Amino acid sequence: ELKVEQNPLFLSMQEGKNYTIYCNYSTTSDRLYWYRQDPGKSLESLFVLLSNGAVKQEGRLMASLDTKARLSTLHITAAVHDLSATYFCAVVLGRGGADGLTFGKGTHLIIQP
Amino acid sequence: SAVISQKPSRDICQRGTSLTIQCQVDSQVTMMFWYRQQPGQSLTLIATANQGSEATYESGFVIDKFPISRPNLTFSTLTVSNMSPEDSSIYLCSVGGTFYEQYFGPGTRLTVT
Repeated sequence: ELKVEQNPLFLSMQEGKNYTIYCNYSTTSDRLYWYRQDPGKSLESLFVLLSNGAVKQEGRLMASLDTKARLSTLHITAAVHDLSATYFCAVVLGRGGADGLTFGKGTHLIIQP
Repeated sequence: SAVISQKPSRDICQRGTSLTIQCQVDSQVTMMFWYRQQPGQSLTLIATANQGSEATYESGFVIDKFPISRPNLTFSTLTVSNMSPEDSSIYLCSVGGTFYEQYFGPGTRLTVT
């Protein structure tokens, strides 16, 4: 059974600081996803990481994937209040786009002025 | 990215009744996925719906409780049958993109009284 663990589950930080969210998964997978969810909203796709060593960046967010360690990180640089949200990582077990995702529990991020 | 709509956006239903949720995509897709997000929780995959074949259900979900239809490549329905308060959740449909992305609809917020 594929398990996905995120930590921390809750993070309160100040604007301007850097921090990293970690996502570990239990079984070999070749795709890892990061999503953002605002309260009362659906999921917004942030990154899809497809290979070992993959790194993607968008604004103040950077995601990386180490498939050997079964670990992905989401790094936040110089946080701003607008990044406050819940962040989920998710992993797919199969190949070819035919499989749904197994999600972590999410990291509830609050960025205070 | 795919544009996904769901109907209804929210509903309040009585125990023992059924609700059918519709998911419409603006382009043809092979796979559609249905997820449940219980209050304050992460997302759990209910089933995968492939056009022309029966849906594949995940452990803990059965067809009698969550029948799914997939009549064409742009549309799917999920029915929540014989509802109880434990079925109160957000139900989301998802589709795959061109480069392994997975996009989510806006969700249907269901409250069972």
